Amino acid sequence: GIQVEQSPPDLILQEGANSTLRCNFSDSVNNLQWFHQNPWGQLINLFYIPSGTKQNGRLSATTVATERYSLLYISSSQTTDSGVYFCAVEWSFGNEKLTFGTGTRLTIIP
Amino acid sequence: GAGVSQSPSNKVTEKGKDVELRCDPISGHTALYWYRQSLGQGLEFLIYFQGNSAPDKSGLPSDRFSAERTGGSVSTLTIQRTQQEDSAVYLCASSFQGRNSDTQYFGPGTRLTVL
Repeated sequence: GIQVEQSPPDLILQEGANSTLRCNFSDSVNNLQWFHQNPWGQLINLFYIPSGTKQNGRLSATTVATERYSLLYISSSQTTDSGVYFCAVEWSFGNEKLTFGTGTRLTIIP
Repeated sequence: GAGVSQSPSNKVTEKGKDVELRCDPISGHTALYWYRQSLGQGLEFLIYFQGNSAPDKSGLPSDRFSAERTGGSVSTLTIQRTQQEDSAVYLCASSFQGRNSDTQYFGPGTRLTVL
């Protein structure tokens, strides 16, 4: 199967700070998604990004498929950004299931 | 439009009882997935339905777990003779066609507690 590692596991920042979350994967992927899990447990889609760069407001993501990593950038962070961020991939040689990383827990302090 | 819905939102049961969890995918989505999230195992795949094809059951942890999808829409995940290690949040997701290029959208989950 494919391995997905996320770093850092925990991140505590002051409101207004910027952050970079990293996702490394061990093999070729056809799909990569970033999710935010809010305090109620809901997984919110942030980006579908198997390659390239996308931006949505204060969030942006870049995936370099040839080097097997993706980065999620959060700028001017707000307390509502707190939660766990997951990276998930669909392995090119497997079925269509998502394999999740262990997540980065982000805490934004007012 | 409506997202993926799941019911019940919470379920508490006694060890040894059977439970049924329900998932309503986004209208028009042909692919449906079940995952679970537990403290020890993180988020893990359970089963995948795509249209009328035989489901991919490769993630089911034991034969006490089964799932069906009726009419290509609603799905039910059944856990028989529940054990304490089955306690987890069970998440359902759907995607348009289930190909590798499709975004998966998740429901709010069912939190199962086995006493």
